[in-house]
Amino acid sequence: SQTIHQWPATLVQPVGSPLSLECTVEGTSNPNLYWYRQAAGRGLQLLFYSVGIGQISSEVPQNLSASRPQDRQFILSSKKLLLSDSGFYLCAWSPGQGTNTQYFGPGTRLTVL
Amino acid sequence: KQEVTQIPAALSVPEGENLVLNCSFTDSAIYNLQWFRQDPGKGLTSLLLIQSSQREQTSGRLNASLDKSSGRSTLYIAASQPGDSATYLCAVASGYSTLTFGKGTMLLVSP
Repeated sequence: SQTIHQWPATLVQPVGSPLSLECTVEGTSNPNLYWYRQAAGRGLQLLFYSVGIGQISSEVPQNLSASRPQDRQFILSSKKLLLSDSGFYLCAWSPGQGTNTQYFGPGTRLTVL
Repeated sequence: KQEVTQIPAALSVPEGENLVLNCSFTDSAIYNLQWFRQDPGKGLTSLLLIQSSQREQTSGRLNASLDKSSGRSTLYIAASQPGDSATYLCAVASGYSTLTFGKGTMLLVSP
């Protein structure tokens, strides 16, 4: 069966510090991978998605970036965090495009102080 | 740009009641519509997925309907239980590999 992991589970970082969140998927190959952010009082916002190694699409311009160094690994990064980067970050995968459901990881709670 | 709205934002009911959660979307050109459940501080769990060619899907006490032409979906929960308490999210797949989410309905079922 497929499983998706995210770490860390929680993170408290000062403004201006770097960020690296990791997501890995097991039990499948060539998944589509997604990063979402859920901020207080707002819906889930798609940040990045990837259909293959090295292929990243950005949905929202911001100070975040994403990379996919391996087939089942997706990394969310920032060089300098802002207060507005606080939120709940969710990674998801799907076996294909359009007609398939997405499966979500447990999330990372990021607080920027 | 696709927009998804969920009504009500919050709902509190006594155990045993049947209830309906509503979702509307602005662009009817969709691949599918999905309902998710989110417990506090947790990730999302997929409940039901309705393809654009379908009218409804059922899983246990849950039934989701889709009226694509009017841009609406409902999630019906029968005989609600305290364990159903969670936030329910509606999401529409209308772009290549992407979902647009509503803000959710926070449901509280009291014993």
